[in-house]
Amino acid sequence: NAGVTQTPKFRILKIGQSMTLQCTQDMNHNYMYWYRQDPGMGLKLIYYSVGAGITDKGEVPNGYNVSRSTTEDFPLRLELAAPSQTSVYFCASSRDGGNQPQHFGDGTRLSIL
Amino acid sequence: EDQVTQSPEALRLQEGESSSLNCSYTVSGLRGLFWYRQDPGKGPEFLFTLYSAGEEKEKERLKATLTKKESFLHITAPKPEDSATYLCAVLGGNTGKLIFGQGTTLQVKP
Repeated sequence: NAGVTQTPKFRILKIGQSMTLQCTQDMNHNYMYWYRQDPGMGLKLIYYSVGAGITDKGEVPNGYNVSRSTTEDFPLRLELAAPSQTSVYFCASSRDGGNQPQHFGDGTRLSIL
Repeated sequence: EDQVTQSPEALRLQEGESSSLNCSYTVSGLRGLFWYRQDPGKGPEFLFTLYSAGEEKEKERLKATLTKKESFLHITAPKPEDSATYLCAVLGGNTGKLIFGQGTTLQVKP
């Protein structure tokens, strides 16, 4: 049972480049989330989706975009990468947005130089 | 504003030395408090959900408790394999979003 799968695991970008972080889940969960985790800080919500075709901003959305064309996939797009976006990015999913636990992937470690 | 603070930031224990991790929170309308375990290079792994003050949950050497202002994760007779970062998160009624604390990094030495 794969759960939440994120690719790539590591990536180095140059300032101004763009890239897409991939996330897919096989649990048929409606809700999906993108977080970033910086050293000594809690996970911060970037964007979330309550179902295919529906997305909304989280706490720190600037510099990112998302789309949700299928239940399974929730890619995160970085346009014009900046050093401040160096972080570890986690995708998560949950059955609903209530008090069901979120299940996380193993993250993408992104460095922008 | 919903807020979660975990203490201590880091904790070193000898194998078998029991202790507790603290998660203090302020939230409007708590819908759930979650504990996660995170190993280096991995994503958070779900441990417990607590819904109301007085509730307790147990799993192996871990026991989570909840009051109206804080939660404790008690670790009884820890083993080296319990070494990890433990994350606390609250789900508030107003925002419907998880707010995470910064985590407590536990190291258990044999």
